[in-house]
Amino acid sequence: RKEVEQDPGPFNVPEGATVAFNCTYSNSASQSFFWYRQDCRKEPKLLMSVYSSGNEDGRFTAQLNRASQYISLLIRDSKLSDSATYLCVVESSGTYKYIFGTGTRLKVLA
Amino acid sequence: EPEVTQTPSHQVTQMGQEVILRCVPISNHLYFYWYRQILGQKVEFLVSFYNNEISEKSEIFDDQFSVERPDGSNFTLKIRSTKLEDSAMYFCASRAGRGAEKLFFGSGTQLSVL
Repeated sequence: RKEVEQDPGPFNVPEGATVAFNCTYSNSASQSFFWYRQDCRKEPKLLMSVYSSGNEDGRFTAQLNRASQYISLLIRDSKLSDSATYLCVVESSGTYKYIFGTGTRLKVLA
Repeated sequence: EPEVTQTPSHQVTQMGQEVILRCVPISNHLYFYWYRQILGQKVEFLVSFYNNEISEKSEIFDDQFSVERPDGSNFTLKIRSTKLEDSAMYFCASRAGRGAEKLFFGSGTQLSVL
């Protein structure tokens, strides 16, 4: 099983749609979880950290399910500018490594 | 907002040559990283560095690779004898320290090995 696994997509959605991505991780001892956004050939940029209680930042909601070892990202009211690749990132507990998923590509269509 | 700075933005080299990729992490950060991304593939961990030594490295980070923090600000990645498959975008990243998990990335160096 891959350390961090994501559906690569692409997800093509109309403007205004709600879209959700999931990510699974294999190391049950992992402690820190993040969603990053990457635009074409640019560096990853932190979108949000993911906390056990779930957290929200405007149109974005992240949730963590430790029992099933997955995290999710929900984007409400999609904008054209949300088009990007969304990277699930997990820090392996006890190491200094951040492991990236392959990313899920989102295209928001006008 | 403070940022991680990488130079050069593009590097073209001949196979077998040595290259040094340079990074200036955010000034009060303690943990430094190199990642690479081959075109169309995922971001891959290479190495992490803390307290002037490597704390973790991946299988990719073989004897051809080395890292150094030669002074208080720079963090470098050296590839001794480049191979065609080393062509990739190399990202430097840093984070503040314990309890501060957020990783901040530089804009990357695109390495092309011919």
